[in-house]
Amino acid sequence: GENVEQHPSTLSVQEGDSAVIKCTYSDSASNYFPWYKQELGKRPQLIIDIRSNVGEKKDQRIAVTLNKTAKHFSLHITETQPEDSAVYFCAAKETGGFKTIFGAGTRLFVKA
Amino acid sequence: DAGVIQSPRHEVTEMGQEVTLRCKPISGHNSLFWYRQTMMRGLELLIYFNNNVPIDDSGMPEDRFSAKMPNASFSTLKIQPSEPRDSAVYFCASSRTTGANYEQYFGPGTRLTVT
Repeated sequence: GENVEQHPSTLSVQEGDSAVIKCTYSDSASNYFPWYKQELGKRPQLIIDIRSNVGEKKDQRIAVTLNKTAKHFSLHITETQPEDSAVYFCAAKETGGFKTIFGAGTRLFVKA
Repeated sequence: DAGVIQSPRHEVTEMGQEVTLRCKPISGHNSLFWYRQTMMRGLELLIYFNNNVPIDDSGMPEDRFSAKMPNASFSTLKIQPSEPRDSAVYFCASSRTTGANYEQYFGPGTRLTVT
């Protein structure tokens, strides 16, 4: 089955700097890669996603890249703000199925 | 739409007791997922349903855990008997798995404490 590895587990950046979180997946058949943000005490919420037929997607300060050959994908947050502090999860969904496997999460701290 | 609804939001129970967690998915969503979240193990998929049918329960930790989805608008996750190591936040999520949108919408979670 699919396995998703996520790094780093903790990331601390200064406000205004960029943050990058990286994930790898094992199943080359996976075709959908969402990123979820979970604030303290809240539920995970989708912030951006990318499909296997796209290499990069951007939404304001957030961008995701996908390298299908290497089976890795990354989340880039530019001009970080204190409200970006949260746990971020990457995930991969198998083709033709419903199952989404989540990475272990990255706790991002943005210092003001 | 009110989003995914879970109840109770908090549950404190004694070891050995039966615990039932409830979930109402978003209307029109045909897939429902139960997750468990702990600091040690992260976000684990326990079981998921499609069109009310259990598709994959390989994540259910033990026979003490069971889940049902009697209709499109209701699901339960039951733990019997409960143990302290079951303490966690349990999330229910739903999604529409037709079309191109696979986003999962999570409920607020049930924080379970077993003493």
